[in-house]
Amino acid sequence: GNSVTQMEGPVTLSEEAFLTINCTYTATGYPSLFWYVQYPGEGLQLLLKATKADDKGSNKGFEATYRKETTSFHLEKGSVQVSDSAVYFCALETSYDKVIFGPGTSLSVIP
Amino acid sequence: KAGVTQTPRYLIKTRGQQVTLSCSPISGHRSVSWYQQTPGQGLQFLFEYFSETQRNKGNFPGRFSGRQFSNSRSEMNVSTLELGDSALYLCASSLVTSGISNEQFFGPGTRLTVL
Repeated sequence: GNSVTQMEGPVTLSEEAFLTINCTYTATGYPSLFWYVQYPGEGLQLLLKATKADDKGSNKGFEATYRKETTSFHLEKGSVQVSDSAVYFCALETSYDKVIFGPGTSLSVIP
Repeated sequence: KAGVTQTPRYLIKTRGQQVTLSCSPISGHRSVSWYQQTPGQGLQFLFEYFSETQRNKGNFPGRFSGRQFSNSRSEMNVSTLELGDSALYLCASSLVTSGISNEQFFGPGTRLTVL
């Protein structure tokens, strides 16, 4: 079946450090891929998405590229801020199937 | 445009009781999904409703049930509550085209505590 694997963390970085959160997936067909973010005390919100191979999603300085050959969708940001502290979820969806979320990666950015 | 609303935001129940949670999706969204979030198990999919029909279902016991009304509002019910049901219950709505949700919009969640 379809699945998403991501590094679970927690990840602790200093402000302005480079961030990578790995995400790999297993899916039949051609899934759409997403990164969601959950700030403390809130629900999840979409951070970025990509719907086909080689697409790059980007938002708020975050980027992720849909790599079909490595079945990956790694999240990157060049310079993190304290306000980026949150839990990040990688997710996929294929037609007529439920959205599948990874376990989430907790990120803490310290000044 | 109003976001996804969930009521109540907080609930405290005792073992054996039942509970009903409500979710109002974004206007025009016909798909509503429910998730259980706990520190130990992460985000687990409960079920999805689309046009009043259950479209997908996760691996939860029959004590967990849901429904969707003609205005797309959804409710989930948990009967015979257990301590392990304590969790944040998240609702998400989406606009479905060609079977793909494109993006899920989440509500703030209902925090259920079972004593």
